[in-house]
Amino acid sequence: ETGVTQSPTHLIKTRGQQVTLRCSSQSGHNTVSWYQQALGQGPQFIFQYYREEENGRGNFPPRFSGLQFPNYSSELNVNALELDDSALYLCASSFSGRNTGELFFGEGSRLTVL
Amino acid sequence: AQTVTQSQPEMSVQEAETVTLSCTYDTSESDYYLFWYKQPPSRQMILVIRQEAYKQQNATENRFSVNFQKAAKSFSLKISDSQLGDAAMYFCAYRSFRISSGSARQLTFGSGTQLTVLP
Repeated sequence: ETGVTQSPTHLIKTRGQQVTLRCSSQSGHNTVSWYQQALGQGPQFIFQYYREEENGRGNFPPRFSGLQFPNYSSELNVNALELDDSALYLCASSFSGRNTGELFFGEGSRLTVL
Repeated sequence: AQTVTQSQPEMSVQEAETVTLSCTYDTSESDYYLFWYKQPPSRQMILVIRQEAYKQQNATENRFSVNFQKAAKSFSLKISDSQLGDAAMYFCAYRSFRISSGSARQLTFGSGTQLTVLP
């Protein structure tokens, strides 16, 4: 069984640029969510995708957007990067038909905005 | 909105000893899940233990157990026989109990407790 994988693991951008982060969900999982974890803090929910549509969103501006593909993989896009966007971005997958509550996380993408 | 509070930014424990990490939460819901996740330096969040709010019995997973006090909205994690590999950041998290397929499964995390295990 393949776990959640994310790419890239690290990247550096400058303010104003755009970034795309990628996530492959765990085998058999059809739901993907994204979290932002600033240094020294707990993860904050960005949004969730199910059946290729966003079905839940946290308190993040529209410049944070995403996609889910038919194979359930996902992308997180951030436009007009700001210094405060520097964080670890975590992807988590789950299977909607099993309400055990558990999410399975990847190792994250560390974004630094200069 | 739900909130999760971890009031201990750092804790340390001697190897083989027992340590308890605290967590309180605030919610108006009656059904929900509570979790403890571990985040080692590899950064991957690993589920340690899960508690369903409708279950009165405290969850146990090997050396890890919880003390779930629903009325007090408290959810502490006890680690027995601490091992060097237990050193990590520990996060308490809350999730609503929604059974509709595809509904948002948002986790609300606390700020974490950094656990150091001393040899």
